[in-house]
Amino acid sequence: DAGVIQSPRHEVTEMGQEVTLRCKPISGHDYLFWYRQTMMRGLELLIYFNNNVPIDDSGMPEDRFSAKMPNASFSTLKIQPSEPRDSAVYFCASSPQRLAGIPNEQYFGPGTRLTVT
Amino acid sequence: GENVEQHPSTLSVQEGDSAVIKCTYSDSASNYFPWYKQELGKGPQLIIDIRSNVGEKKDQRIAVTLNKTAKHFSLHITETQPEDSAVYFCAASKGGSYIPTFGRGTSLIVHP
Repeated sequence: DAGVIQSPRHEVTEMGQEVTLRCKPISGHDYLFWYRQTMMRGLELLIYFNNNVPIDDSGMPEDRFSAKMPNASFSTLKIQPSEPRDSAVYFCASSPQRLAGIPNEQYFGPGTRLTVT
Repeated sequence: GENVEQHPSTLSVQEGDSAVIKCTYSDSASNYFPWYKQELGKGPQLIIDIRSNVGEKKDQRIAVTLNKTAKHFSLHITETQPEDSAVYFCAASKGGSYIPTFGRGTSLIVHP
């Protein structure tokens, strides 16, 4: 398996522009997570999906952020309009469900480094 | 909610020495404790995990111990090598919640 795939790997954009980050989870995984990593705040969970349905988006910082999962093999995280403080590394991770109610390991993608100038 | 504290934030050792990273958690209902290794420019990768029904787990040079009473767990790396240099994260989660709480990370530097 190729693992979790994210694109683009690097994104540089100007303040006010729309940014779309993409993720392909591992086939067969039921859970998909979006994280943001910064030196100041560490790893922050933004949103997670179960079987393509958003379950918890309480970590999404503002209405400027939105995420979708139209099918089991694709998810997007969109920022519109982008701001310099959104600069961070964004990770997508997926996780299998083996037994109901039992947490399992997460498999992270390589991340997208976003720079907003 | 769950709170995970991780220490130290930086750990510097000589090649061949052992390294120990410690984490404490606050929610006694937590029952799954994974450890992730993040190399520069990459995403975190699972290296070992432990569930609350066991006290210790080993995989070659790495081991994790869990003390449920004290609510702490530790990562042990023996015979460290330069390629062990990375940031290590602990995490805790519980049944019914698929959201792990991560520690702030430990930067391990192994000097050749």
